[in-house]
Amino acid sequence: NAGVTQTPKFRVLKTGQSMTLLCAQDMNHEYMYWYRQDPGMGLRLIHYSVGEGTTAKGEVPDGYNVSRLKKQNFLLGLESAAPSQTSVYFCASKTPRRMNTEAFFGQGTRLTVV
Amino acid sequence: GDSVTQMEGPVTLSEEAFLTINCTYTATGYPSLFWYVQYPGEGLQLLLKATKADDKGSNKGFEATYRKETTSFHLEKGSVQVSDSAVYFCALSDPPGGGADGLTFGKGTHLIIQP
Repeated sequence: NAGVTQTPKFRVLKTGQSMTLLCAQDMNHEYMYWYRQDPGMGLRLIHYSVGEGTTAKGEVPDGYNVSRLKKQNFLLGLESAAPSQTSVYFCASKTPRRMNTEAFFGQGTRLTVV
Repeated sequence: GDSVTQMEGPVTLSEEAFLTINCTYTATGYPSLFWYVQYPGEGLQLLLKATKADDKGSNKGFEATYRKETTSFHLEKGSVQVSDSAVYFCALSDPPGGGADGLTFGKGTHLIIQP
């Protein structure tokens, strides 16, 4: 049971470099999310998608872009990494069915920008 | 907007102690409520949930009751174990049926259980 898979698990970037984080889910979920987790801040929503070809901004979208070209994949891009983007990034997915609103999370990507 | 407030830690207890982690929320609609747990180095896992007032979610000895009158969803366990050491997040989904903009999380409570 793969669920939600994130790659890579760890990455160190230099300031100004770019990278893409990949999230893949095999549960046929419509909704997908990217969160960042920082000490004392909990999880904050970066971007989300309600279906293939759609994306929307969350609470902290600046400095990030996303794409949902296939239903099962949700990509998070950093065009020019900054030290403030050092964080642990989590992808999540869920179904929009009314009584089943649990979100499933990936294992996380620990990103350090130096 | 929606928000979740929970006690921040770390909370340190001895094995077999009683645990309560408080969680209160504000929401514009009628949310579903969740507790997620994050073990060291891992992602978040759903611990329990409740979708309407007076519902009690339970799992692995943990319980939480949806209290609409006090807008609370406190997590309890009668006898904690060292293996319960983790970070616990209270969260809500509003509206409950299709919260496309995701869950709103509290800041997390770091629980440390000492043998």
